[in-house]
Amino acid sequence: SQTIHQWPATLVQPVGSPLSLECTVEGTSNPNLYWYRQAAGRGLQLLFYSVGIGQISSEVPQNLSASRPQDRQFILSSKKLLLSDSGFYLCAWARDRDSPLHFGNGTRLTVT
Amino acid sequence: LAKTTQPISMDSYEGQEVNITCSHNNIATNDYITWYQQFPSQGPRFIIQGYKTKVTNEVASLFIPADRKSSTLSLPRVSLSDTAVYYCLVGVNYGGATNKLIFGTGTLLAVQP
Repeated sequence: SQTIHQWPATLVQPVGSPLSLECTVEGTSNPNLYWYRQAAGRGLQLLFYSVGIGQISSEVPQNLSASRPQDRQFILSSKKLLLSDSGFYLCAWARDRDSPLHFGNGTRLTVT
Repeated sequence: LAKTTQPISMDSYEGQEVNITCSHNNIATNDYITWYQQFPSQGPRFIIQGYKTKVTNEVASLFIPADRKSSTLSLPRVSLSDTAVYYCLVGVNYGGATNKLIFGTGTLLAVQP
């Protein structure tokens, strides 16, 4: 069966510091991968998606970036965090564009 | 862009059947309808997906009328553990003409004993 792992579960970072969140998927090959962000009490916002290694599409212009160095690895990064980057970050995978999304357990990021 | 409209919240009691309706007037021909459940501090969990008519699995049923402009998630005999936010999504995961699976605020279902 397929599993998705995200880490860390929680993170507190000062403004201006870098960020690196990692997500890996097991049990499938060539998955579509996604990064979502959920602000407190709000819906999920799609940040990035990837349909293959090195292929990244950005949905929201911001100071975040994503990379896919391996087939089942998706990384979310920032060079300098802003207070507005605080939120719940979720990684997800899907077989294709019509298939349901499967989410990880998320990373709670607090920028202070 | 396609938009979904759901009630912000619903209340129910244990053992009752709960129906949550979602409106999606601008659904495109190729769009699927997918429902997710989210507990606090967890990622959303896939519940059910359909294209037309009725779909049933071990946890829920999804009713879609012929015009596909709405859909209803039916949860039989809810329990306290079904208290969660339920999201209705229409479209494809990316690159769609209508939307790119933007999750709205969903419906907060509160089940009372």
